[in-house]
Amino acid sequence: QKEVEQDPGPLSVPEGAIVSLNCTYSNSAFQYFMWYRQYSRKGPELLMYTYSSGNKEDGRFTAQVDKSSKYISLFIRDSQPSDSATYLCAMSSGPGNQFYFGTGTSLTVIP
Amino acid sequence: GAVVSQHPSWVICKSGTSVKIECRSLDFQATTMFWYRQFPKQSLMLMATSNEGSKATYEQGVEKDKFLINHASLTLSTLTVTSAHPEDSSFYICSARDSGWETYNEQFFGPGTRLTVL
Repeated sequence: QKEVEQDPGPLSVPEGAIVSLNCTYSNSAFQYFMWYRQYSRKGPELLMYTYSSGNKEDGRFTAQVDKSSKYISLFIRDSQPSDSATYLCAMSSGPGNQFYFGTGTSLTVIP
Repeated sequence: GAVVSQHPSWVICKSGTSVKIECRSLDFQATTMFWYRQFPKQSLMLMATSNEGSKATYEQGVEKDKFLINHASLTLSTLTVTSAHPEDSSFYICSARDSGWETYNEQFFGPGTRLTVL
């Protein structure tokens, strides 16, 4: 079983839609949860960073962590064509520990 | 802040040659840098962890004699792919961990290097 599972998509939505991206994990020791955005042939860019359970909001982006279900989500409100990219979830068990990445979900926002 | 650069961004080489990729943290010190490999439509696979002033730690299945890592300063790590073969063609991405405590668990990624071995 993989440490982190993520539906690779592809996901295609109309502009303005709410997008929901999800990851599940098996290691209950994971405490730090990240979402990265990666444009084609570019390095990942950190979008959201959360510690333990709860919600975090930053502009149009909201990250949710449910440790009891081992499930994390990223919501994108009012999606824009510029949001079209691959979104990677990542997690680690503590400061300085290895990151485990999902396979990434490819998102296309259609104008 | 927290910018990581990689050089070159794209390299094409002949089979059997060696290729060096540089990873630099431009505005922070990084005691730890990471090297990842990414195949098309796949996630990042950690190859090795590079620690300044010490030997790199390689993940299982990664040949340390083929992928040489040198982390000689707090802002520079290099990955040398020795005797490259077509199966080494991939997208290589480095990341760096800021030594400052506030962002210690964050990794900042470089833009990646696309290696094509003919």
